[in-house]
Amino acid sequence: GDSVTQMEGPVTLSEEAFLTINCTYTATGYPSLFWYVQYPGEGLQLLLKATKADDKGSNKGFEATYRKETTSFHLEKGSVQVSDSAVYFCALSGQGGSEKLVFGKGTKLTVNP
Amino acid sequence: NAGVMQNPRHLVRRRGQEARLRCSPMKGHSHVYWYRQLPEEGLKFMVYLQKENIIDESGMPKERFSAEFPKEGPSILRIQQVVRGDSAAYFCASSPLGELIAKNIQYFGAGTRLSVL
Repeated sequence: GDSVTQMEGPVTLSEEAFLTINCTYTATGYPSLFWYVQYPGEGLQLLLKATKADDKGSNKGFEATYRKETTSFHLEKGSVQVSDSAVYFCALSGQGGSEKLVFGKGTKLTVNP
Repeated sequence: NAGVMQNPRHLVRRRGQEARLRCSPMKGHSHVYWYRQLPEEGLKFMVYLQKENIIDESGMPKERFSAEFPKEGPSILRIQQVVRGDSAAYFCASSPLGELIAKNIQYFGAGTRLSVL
């Protein structure tokens, strides 16, 4: 079945550092890919998405490019802020007729001042 | 436009009791999904419902768990005879039909954290 693998955390960075969180997937067909962010005590918020190969999703300085050849959707940000501290989830939505999301385990990011 | 509303936010039950979790989707949304998040794990799909219909329940445990989304009122996830392993955060998400066509944007509630003593 479909699956998502993302880098293990936790990740700790200093403010203004460069962020990469790796995400790879296994799926049949052409899934849509998402990054969600979860702040402490809250639900998930959609951060960005890409629906086809070579699409780049971007939001709030975060970017991720849908790479079909490497089945990857790595999240990047050039300069993180303390307010970016959260748990980040990579997810996919397959083409099998079900609209369920398949999530990775999440990567906890802590940004120190 | 209010977001997806879940209640209660926190629920404590003793083993053997019933837990009822409620989810009101965003206004205009007719599709509801339930996910479970175990400690240190990602979210796992449980069930997908439309008004009065269960579309996909492939992630639901075979026993003790049930879900409904009636014509009127919130969606309910019911867990009968809870056990300690049911302790988790349960998240509801909703989606309107149009955004399903645009590749499945789901809006999440803040979740219900169930603790079984």
